[in-house]
Amino acid sequence: QKEVEQDPGPLSVPEGAIVSLNCTYSNSAFQYFMWYRQYSRKGPELLMYTYSSGNKEDGRFTAQVDKSSKYISLFIRDSQPSDSATYLCAMTGNNDMRFGAGTRLTVKP
Amino acid sequence: DTEVTQTPKHLVMGMTNKKSLKCEQHMGHRAMYWYKQKAKKPPELMFVYSYEKLSINESVPSRFSPECPNSSLLNLHLHALQPEDSALYLCASSFAQGSGNTIYFGEGSWLTVV
Repeated sequence: QKEVEQDPGPLSVPEGAIVSLNCTYSNSAFQYFMWYRQYSRKGPELLMYTYSSGNKEDGRFTAQVDKSSKYISLFIRDSQPSDSATYLCAMTGNNDMRFGAGTRLTVKP
Repeated sequence: DTEVTQTPKHLVMGMTNKKSLKCEQHMGHRAMYWYKQKAKKPPELMFVYSYEKLSINESVPSRFSPECPNSSLLNLHLHALQPEDSALYLCASSFAQGSGNTIYFGEGSWLTVV
């Protein structure tokens, strides 16, 4: 079993849709959770950073962490074609950091 | 815009060449990283420097040689690379090494070995 599982997609949605991206993990030591957005041929850009369980909202983006289920989510409201990218979850704890495989998202106009 | 700057953005080198990738950050971060990323894969950690000392070497072949001249700069020296080393090389930094410290990536250097 991989430490972090993320569906690679591809995921295609129409403009304006609500997008849900998810990761599951097995290491209960993970306490810090991040979502990165990576455009084609560019470096990952930090989108959201959360500590422990709970929700965090930033504009159209909401990150959720459920440590009891070892499950994290990123929601994108009113999705735009400019949101088309690969979204990587990442998590750290006990001096270990792991990335998910990344989900490729396409938002169609 | 990212505050981690990498040069060059693209590099093509032969298997006998010696080249270097450079990275610079001015955020006062004391941990700097090199990652390698192949297409459709997540970044893979190569090296970590903490306070200018090599902290982690993830069993990377010796044809990759990191160097941290000061707290703002990180180099990756390349020599006798193989075609399978072609990838996106990402530099990153964080306030300190360890959990809870957010890692910020540069735009990457695309390396092609011919």
